[in-house]
Amino acid sequence: EVRLLESGGGLVQPGGSLRLSCAASGFTFGNYAMSWVRQAPGKGLDWVSDIYGRGVSTYYVSTYYAESVKGRFTISRENPKNTLYLQMNSLRAEDTAVYYCLKLGGLQPGNYYFASWGQGTLVTVSS
Amino acid sequence: QSVLTQPPSVSGAPGQRVTISCTGSSSNIGAGYDVHWYQQLPGTAPKLLIYDNSNRPSGVPDRFSGSKSGTSASLAITGLQAEDEADYYCQSYDSSLRVFGGGTKLTVL
Repeated sequence: EVRLLESGGGLVQPGGSLRLSCAASGFTFGNYAMSWVRQAPGKGLDWVSDIYGRGVSTYYVSTYYAESVKGRFTISRENPKNTLYLQMNSLRAEDTAVYYCLKLGGLQPGNYYFASWGQGTLVTVSS
Repeated sequence: QSVLTQPPSVSGAPGQRVTISCTGSSSNIGAGYDVHWYQQLPGTAPKLLIYDNSNRPSGVPDRFSGSKSGTSASLAITGLQAEDEADYYCQSYDSSLRVFGGGTKLTVL
C-alpha cells in the first residue's frame, strides 16, 4: 500500500521560510515522479511543483514550478531516505494552504496524473 | 480563474445520473492531453477517480465514468448515492504546467 506522510507545516510569519517533508513507503520511491499540490482554506486545488527523474542514487532530475511559487520554492528528493521535500522561502499570506505530497502515475509527463495523495500538512502564513 | 472550467455545483436525487463538464482549450485538452478526475469527500484529501480520460483505478465503482471530446471532458455518475456527495476536480496539462478545474460541488438531494 502506498503511503505518503507529510510533515513540517505550521505557522510562519510573512517573509519567513519553512521546509516540508514527505516520507514515502509502499513503492520504489526512486522510480517515480513526485509532486506537491496545495489547497487554500475553502478553495480548490492548486498545483505547486513536480520533480521528475527516475533511477537510483544520482541521476539528472527535472523540476517544474507554478508561476506563483517560482523563485521562492524548491522541490527536491532524497531517494535513499524515500523522502520528498519542499523548501518554501519568502512566504506570503496567499501561500496559506494545506500542502499535499503526491506520487505521479502515467507514462508520459504531459499525461501524468496524481495517483496517490498524502493527508496533507497545513501551512499558515500570518503575523 | 482556472484554466479548466467546471460548473460550481450540480445536484441530483438518489439513483439519478449527473454529469460534470470540464471545458478547456486548444492548449490543454484540445492539444491531446489527457484529463483526470479527483473526488474530495468532506474533510478528506482528494483521491484519484478517473485517469487518462476514462480509466478507473481499482476500487472505484463503475458508476463513475469519464469521456473526452475536442476541448472538453465529462464525468458521469449513474445511480447516484448519498456517499457521492463531494467536490470533484478535473485536471490536465498546459504549457508544462499541471492545471485543475475550479471544482464542482455535487449535492445529493
